[in-house]
This record gives sequence, C-alpha cells and structure tokens, in this order.
Amino acid sequence: AQSVTQLGSHVSVSEGALVLLRCNYSSSVPPYLFWYVQYPNQGLQLLLKYTSAATLVKGINGFEAEFKKSETSFHLTKPSAHMSDAAEYFCAVSDGQAGTALIFGKGTTLSVSS
Amino acid sequence: GAGVSQSPRYKVAKRGQDVALRCDPISGHVSLFWYQQALGQGPEFLTYFQNEAQLDKSGLPSDRFFAERPEGSVSTLKIQRTQQEDSAVYLCASRLESGRRPYEQYFGPGTRLTVT
Repeated sequence: AQSVTQLGSHVSVSEGALVLLRCNYSSSVPPYLFWYVQYPNQGLQLLLKYTSAATLVKGINGFEAEFKKSETSFHLTKPSAHMSDAAEYFCAVSDGQAGTALIFGKGTTLSVSS
Repeated sequence: GAGVSQSPRYKVAKRGQDVALRCDPISGHVSLFWYQQALGQGPEFLTYFQNEAQLDKSGLPSDRFFAERPEGSVSTLKIQRTQQEDSAVYLCASRLESGRRPYEQYFGPGTRLTVT
C-alpha cells in the first residue's frame, strides 16, 4: 500500500523568502512521486515529477524537489517566494503501473505576504 | 492544444436528485480517471477507464455512483439520489497511454457539486 503525508496544512512565507513544503511517502515498491499545484477554482497542474532518474528534480516556476529514499521524503522547495505562488500544493505517489491512480496527500496551503 | 474540460463547472442539486457530470479528455488519451475532492482534502480515486473499458471502480463510494465512457473518449459520472455527503469537487484526469511508466495525468478544472 502507498500513502502520502504532508506536514503542515498551512505554510506562510514572506515574498522573497525560501519556500519549503514537506512530503513524506510510504511505499512497498519504488515510488513515482509528483507535486501538483491547485489555484482557486482550477484543476491540478503538475509542477514536477520523480521517475527514478535524478534525485533532484526541477520543475516549473522555479520549484524543485529532492527524492531522499533514506528519509522517504520528497520535499518541495523554491529559493524565493513570489506572490503568485500562493496556492494549494499536493504531493502524490504512484507505483507507475498501468491504471494505477495517484494517491494524494491532504495538501498544504501556501500563503505569501508582501 | 485543448486540455481536459469538464461540465458543468458548478452544479447545485437538491437531495435525492440525480446528476450527470461530463469529462472531455485530451484527444487521443487512452486512460481516464475520476477523483473526488472533499473540502480541505486531497483528491481521492473513484474509477479508471482504459479506452471504453472500466478497469477499476474500487473507489466508487456506493452503488449510487456510476461512470461510463462508451466510445473511449467522453466520460460521464452519474450520481443517483444525491446525498449531502456527495458535495465535493469531482476531478477528471486523462493520460496518454497505459503501461509501466509514470505518464502524467492531466486534470480538468473540476465540477463543484453542492447538494442542498
């Protein structure tokens, strides 16, 4: 079975500050890991994904995440927050098999203040 | 190109009414998923189609929920005799191919269902 835990339902940062959103996973098989962003009244947009290649994954909008097997973590970071980064962020895991749905965490709301 | 579209975007139903939610996946995408997202929660899997075949419906919460994709493209999620606990955002996602690869799922904007 697979599961995802996102630590912190709400994270607040100042514009220009480091963004760190935490995600820990549980998986009995090599995981595929994803970060999605959701803006109000919109669907989910893929930020980045880990597919067993490089452990440091770069995504869109300046975000990146590092896969750490020993810590079963896939934390999302961005060096400098922008006001437009305010949104809901979801970490998700899959085993990569055909037809396997994504298992999502409960999400973290990121607020950015000026 | 066009992304995944869903209609209606918002639906208000009185308890006991039947509703139908539509998903138009990206053209050519073989796989289609439906998810339910309750307020303040992450999306949860409902059902999966590969072309017109419904291969997994283990996430459907009750027999009041029914999904179809008769021609392997457009899909409809139907909820009969809606209950208040059905209030949620229903997300549809499509994926290009099945196979042992982490193909990206492309999500639609969702349908927000409110049952009064």
